[in-house]
Amino acid sequence: DAGITQSPRYKITETGRQVTLMCHQTWSHSYMFWYRQDLGHGLRLIYYSAAADITDKGEVPDGYVVSRSKTENFPLTLESATRSQTSVYFCASSESETGNQPQHFGDGTRLSIL
Amino acid sequence: LAKTTQPISMDSYEGQEVNITCSHNNIATNDYITWYQQFPSQGPRFIIQGYKTKVTNEVASLFIPADRKSSTLSLPRVSLSDTAVYYCLVETAGNMLTFGGGTRLMVKP
Repeated sequence: DAGITQSPRYKITETGRQVTLMCHQTWSHSYMFWYRQDLGHGLRLIYYSAAADITDKGEVPDGYVVSRSKTENFPLTLESATRSQTSVYFCASSESETGNQPQHFGDGTRLSIL
Repeated sequence: LAKTTQPISMDSYEGQEVNITCSHNNIATNDYITWYQQFPSQGPRFIIQGYKTKVTNEVASLFIPADRKSSTLSLPRVSLSDTAVYYCLVETAGNMLTFGGGTRLMVKP
């Protein structure tokens, strides 16, 4: 089935560890996005990508690294996890970087950092 | 400072019309306003999108005044299954995609 898949769905790790969240889409959308969702803050954009090998910062990029070697994949890495990065992370894809095309979201990764 | 704000919560009853307003005081000139619905443990799902005046689809209507500093999502005759969190999304003048804080809609029988 076409869609956008995030893995893992749940992850528990410890402070200081590296963790990578995976995102895969089958629509061949050019644009992909990573958001974090926290109580009281809604959804905030971490990074986005316009195409393979093109990425840019969003509102809250500190502590995160992204890559996009293939159009369909957009992994998000926390190089040294901190407790403040405990959150639900959503990946999305779209035909456009602007608000003019709907974004399609995965079902999220719930990340807990102890 | 660009702000995209929504009421935190709303209650309604089955069969009523619900209107949720989003204020976006720094929206980019040429971009659309988009609304999403989110259920627990799921990602947001697209509902409707518009640029100005009124847009209607099979599930909702979207009203946008001429100054585009706000938008109103209208859900006709809600049912229990419409209980969810609703988000507006706009691109601000700084080219940053910004979600509103979300409105938790509770539909009661």
